[in-house]
Amino acid sequence: KQEVTQIPAALSVPEGENLVLNCSFTDSAIYNLQWFRQDPGKGLTSLLLIQSSQREQTSGRLNASLDKSSGRSTLYIAASQPGDSATYLCAVSAMNRDDKIIFGKGTRLHILP
Amino acid sequence: EPEVTQTPSHQVTQMGQEVILRCVPISNHLYFYWYRQILGQKVEFLVSFYNNEISEKSEIFDDQFSVERPDGSNFTLKIRSTKLEDSAMYFCASRKDGTYEQYFGPGTRLTVT
Repeated sequence: KQEVTQIPAALSVPEGENLVLNCSFTDSAIYNLQWFRQDPGKGLTSLLLIQSSQREQTSGRLNASLDKSSGRSTLYIAASQPGDSATYLCAVSAMNRDDKIIFGKGTRLHILP
Repeated sequence: EPEVTQTPSHQVTQMGQEVILRCVPISNHLYFYWYRQILGQKVEFLVSFYNNEISEKSEIFDDQFSVERPDGSNFTLKIRSTKLEDSAMYFCASRKDGTYEQYFGPGTRLTVT
């Protein structure tokens, strides 16, 4: 059974710092891995999607990497801003008939002004 | 840009009542999903739907739950007799045939009193 774990559960960093959020998954047979942002009480905003054949994806100040064989992904945020404060969710889509997404519990990020 | 929409944004109901949560997937998408997130917990898969039938459902999706695509645009989740523990944010998602990225709606917050 696929399990997705995110470390740390919460993180506070001063504005301007670069930071890394970690995600691990137990079953490497995935179609893709996705990073989402969730603001308190709000919906899910997709940030980056990495196909299983890819190693990384970049969007602006965000860079996500995928090491499928070791079951790990990182989300790198450069030059953090207070507006980046949110919960970041890692999620994987299984490589079988059932294409449900399995989510991690998230990392709650707080950028200190 | 097309997006998934959900109504209502917030629904309050009494225990034992029936509720219907509505979703309008992106128009050319063929695969539909419901997920839920209890406050402070992970986003969990409930059910996937394709070609007018359920493809996969989780243990959570018991006989109290049902899904329907009553017309060409709506996708609904019905809870027949709500319980306190059904209080959660419910997310609808859809995806296009041949791709594996699911697009999420903004969610419906269900509060059962």
